[in-house]
Amino acid sequence: RKEVEQDPGPFNVPEGATVAFNCTYSNSASQSFFWYRQDCRKEPKLLMSVYSSGNEDGRFTAQLNRASQYISLLIRDSKLSDSATYLCVVNMVTGNQFYFGTGTSLTVIP
Amino acid sequence: DVKVTQSSRYLVKRTGEKVFLECVQDMDHENMFWYRQDPGLGLRLIYFSYDVKMKEKGDIPEGYSVSREKKERFSLILESASTNQTSMYLCASSLGRKGTAASQYGYTFGSGTRLTVV
Repeated sequence: RKEVEQDPGPFNVPEGATVAFNCTYSNSASQSFFWYRQDCRKEPKLLMSVYSSGNEDGRFTAQLNRASQYISLLIRDSKLSDSATYLCVVNMVTGNQFYFGTGTSLTVIP
Repeated sequence: DVKVTQSSRYLVKRTGEKVFLECVQDMDHENMFWYRQDPGLGLRLIYFSYDVKMKEKGDIPEGYSVSREKKERFSLILESASTNQTSMYLCASSLGRKGTAASQYGYTFGSGTRLTVV
């Protein structure tokens, strides 16, 4: 079983739409959670950390559900520039290794 | 801003060659990592290091070795390149020591090296 699983998509949404991605993780002892964004042929870049109480950064909202072992990313008012692959990342309690999902592809259509 | 620099953006090597991929970070991070990324498989950890001269195997270490002689530099070595090692290689660094909560800071990645073995 994979440590982190994501729906690969692709998600094709019109500009202005709201879109949500979920990600599940297998280890209940996981400690830290992140969403990364990766543009085509570029390296992943940190989008936001995910805190237990949920957190928001502009149009982006991240939530953590420890009981069900999933994290989510909500994007409101989608822009063309949001088109990218979004990676879910989980850190286990032992060591500093991070586990990556395979990514969810988003295309925002004019 | 933390910078992680990988020495080459694109490389083409022949089967059997010894290949060195270099990675340097400038923020005094303890942890450094080498991943490869392939379509449909995501990022897979090859090796990582928590300290100078220290290394640990990741999920797919076969065919690779690493070297960390200085804190800021982490090198990935393909002892004898093969065509199935054609991939995007990503180096990353992070703040923190093993077993601490410093992992809350996440990774910073280099811009990647796209290696083609022919």
